[in-house]
Order: sequence, then structure tokens, then C-alpha cells
Amino acid sequence: QQQVKQSPQSLIVQKGGISIINCAYENTAFDYFPWYQQFPGKGPALLIAIRPDVSEKKEGRFTISFNKSAKQFSLHIMDSQPGDSATYFCAAETQGGSEKLVFGKGTKLTVNP
Amino acid sequence: DAGVTQSPTHLIKTRGQHVTLRCSPISGHKSVSWYQQVLGQGPQFIFQYYEKEERGRGNFPDRFSARQFPNYSSELNVNALLLGDSALYLCASSRARGNQPQHFGDGTRLSIL
Repeated sequence: QQQVKQSPQSLIVQKGGISIINCAYENTAFDYFPWYQQFPGKGPALLIAIRPDVSEKKEGRFTISFNKSAKQFSLHIMDSQPGDSATYFCAAETQGGSEKLVFGKGTKLTVNP
Repeated sequence: DAGVTQSPTHLIKTRGQHVTLRCSPISGHKSVSWYQQVLGQGPQFIFQYYEKEERGRGNFPDRFSARQFPNYSSELNVNALLLGDSALYLCASSRARGNQPQHFGDGTRLSIL
């Protein structure tokens, strides 16, 4: 049972464009939602995270939008650059339990110059 | 400051063998979690340790075990290796339990022949 569904599986955007990756979750006990960026041969690197008490969080070119009623959240990468080409994972964690991050299957982003 | 360090970076084993993977958390971090990442998938939670005690366990067989040492470093042990155990094994550390940012190492690439 996949608790966090991520789409699209792959995404190609032009330099300067906006990249949008979407995730949906089922477990209403989730209350922490991080996004990770992973380059080939490297471990996932934490990009940005949000808790459900806010609807949007922005850090530089990266923005998370969160819709609690729809149980959906998304990552927006503004002014996408070739260096952003990587695989992006959304994840979710429940409060008070073990630090079990449940990951989506990932989105491979390619930004063309 | 040094990030999460894992050793070895690559390992080749044959079916039935045993393997030990090691992880040193970020200085000051007391929580260590282990994840398995199969090619093309998101990481899957295996274990979480905090203050040397197991605090969470994922859906993995008893062939998988782990421990945390007084200096907060950790080992993941896998017995009776199967071909399906071939994966990237990731260690993540966080300062404490519960919705804390988890920072990943670059993993150990385990190949089973």
C-alpha cells in the first residue's frame, strides 16, 4: 500500500521555467512533509519542509503548497536551472511516532538549457 | 561540520553471506535511521534508533538487525543475503525524535551476486 503518491514520474522543463511536482497522501496522521533532492550517486538532501498548520512555505526558488483538506502538497521550483536536474522525493511523517519517513516514488526532473 | 558518513561506499557480496554497514551521525545528533533504496524507488524505512534503543522498525525480515553505540554511531547487519537485498542503504540522522529534519548520508551500495 503506497501511502504517498507522487506525480509525475518524470518532468522536462526549459531553463527559466516553473517545475511543479505533486504529492497526495492518505494517512491523516501525517503532520510533517519534507522534500528531498537526490543527485546520482548521492544521498537525498533535505530541500524544504512544511507542517500542516501553514498553506505555503517559500525558501529561495523553492515553494511548498499544502492543501490539508485535499491531502495534497506540491513543490514548485521557480526559474528552473540545469543544475536543478535531479530526482525529487516528497515524504511524510507522523507525529510522536518513530521517525519513519514515508517516501513517494520520486520525480526525475530534467531542465534543458 | 561533517555530514552523515557511511562506510563502506560500495560492497559486493554473494548470496547467503552476512554484511555489516556503518554510519556516523552528524555531531550532536542522537537519532539514527536506516533506509533501503532500490533503484528507481524512494527510500524504505528499516529502523530508527534513539539513545541506543530501537524506536521503530519497518516491514523487513528478521535477517535485518541494527544497533546504536554510546557515541550514537550505528551498524546495520543483514544475514543470509538474498539477491533482492541489492540496494543503496542510507543512514539518516536527526538531532532528536519526532518531526526533526533528517539528514542523509550518501549510502552504501550493496550488490549481491
